[in-house]
Amino acid sequence: NAGVTQTPKFQVLKTGQSMTLQCAQDMNHNSMYWYRQDPGMGLRLIYYSASEGTTDKGEVPNGYNVSRLNKREFSLRLESAAPSQTSVYFCASSESFTGGYTFGSGTRLTVV
Amino acid sequence: GIQVEQSPPDLILQEGANSTLRCNFSDSVNNLQWFHQNPWGQLINLFYIPSGTKQNGRLSATTVATERYSLLYISSSQTTDSGVYFCAVGSPGTASKLTFGTGTRLQVTL
Repeated sequence: NAGVTQTPKFQVLKTGQSMTLQCAQDMNHNSMYWYRQDPGMGLRLIYYSASEGTTDKGEVPNGYNVSRLNKREFSLRLESAAPSQTSVYFCASSESFTGGYTFGSGTRLTVV
Repeated sequence: GIQVEQSPPDLILQEGANSTLRCNFSDSVNNLQWFHQNPWGQLINLFYIPSGTKQNGRLSATTVATERYSLLYISSSQTTDSGVYFCAVGSPGTASKLTFGTGTRLQVTL
């Protein structure tokens, strides 16, 4: 049982490049989330998906887009990367809004 | 939005010691979780505890929702307990937007 799988684990982008971070869960969870973690700070919610077919903005959505491809997969896209998007990105899932979260292992992204 | 404060920010313990980590929040919650981020960056869910008390081995947690705080107890600490402990809360009406505290960094020494 893999839980939540994120790819890639590491990525270096040049300013202005685009990329998509992939996330997949195999726990049949309804809700999925994307967070970013910056040094000395907690995690901040970028976007979330309460259920298949729905997405909503979190605390820091600017510069990102998401797609809930199906119940298992929730991707995060950076259309034009900026140095301020250098961060560690975590995907998570939960059975419902009030359920416990399971996190992926994270993607360390550097934008130069 | 809801504010989450964790204390202490840093804690150094000798192996075998006990500790209490605190999480204060500014509004009613219907979701409260404790996480451990190990030195390799992996986030592990320790407890889902919007109210009441739970125990899992050497760890236990208590949330007093009416007084807006939660406590995480670590007994007989081990070096593998090192890392950052995060409290995260969600309030009614904000769906699943968990708000994280800035964490307590714990170092357990031999």
